[in-house]
Amino acid sequence: DAKTTQPPSMDCAEGRAANLPCNHSTISGNEYVYWYRQIHSQGPQYIIHGLKNNETNEMASLIITEDRKSSTLILPHATLRDTAVYYCIAYYRGGSNYKLTFGKGTLLTVNP
Amino acid sequence: DAGVIQSPRHEVTEMGQEVTLRCKPISGHDYLFWYRQTMMRGLELLIYFNNNVPIDDSGMPEDRFSAKMPNASFSTLKIQPSEPRDSAVYFCASSFWNGGDTQYFGPGTRLTVL
Repeated sequence: DAKTTQPPSMDCAEGRAANLPCNHSTISGNEYVYWYRQIHSQGPQYIIHGLKNNETNEMASLIITEDRKSSTLILPHATLRDTAVYYCIAYYRGGSNYKLTFGKGTLLTVNP
Repeated sequence: DAGVIQSPRHEVTEMGQEVTLRCKPISGHDYLFWYRQTMMRGLELLIYFNNNVPIDDSGMPEDRFSAKMPNASFSTLKIQPSEPRDSAVYFCASSFWNGGDTQYFGPGTRLTVL
């Protein structure tokens, strides 16, 4: 799986949009971009994933650049409960490999 | 659905003792994963099963660690003998192939080996 690079930490004001960047310049054409988050003392939680097109669900939006070398996770209206470590993972679906490789992620702190 | 269930939530034991962690995956899921998380190493995959069969155990640190999945609704991770460096949070996760490979994690077991 391709290596991803994320800033170690970010701050966001409550109610504002949180934009979390991820660089995956070596991603291959069949690797998806997955986002998980981990709230303190809890297990990681799936947020969203995408391949080429932008994706949106009830939790967040995922914007993937046209060259697929980077992406941005957007939490449209961050709340205090969104404070967590956010992991961006490049993951090949299919074949016999089902390993998710978690990096250090970005600690997002939402401030009141 | 109750989600992935892990027990115990906290375990404190002494070096040399056997430790058994338990996991009940989400019903209908055919993949089960065991992870370990420490401050130093982050979240790392230990082993995963497909349809109760171990597929990849390359992340298991050493022979003191073993994992079993006797049926689709139960898995164990055993450490024998335990050592202080095994202290970590152990997570179990499950997924199903047609579900986009999304993994659903349990609440974890915090293990402390004294």
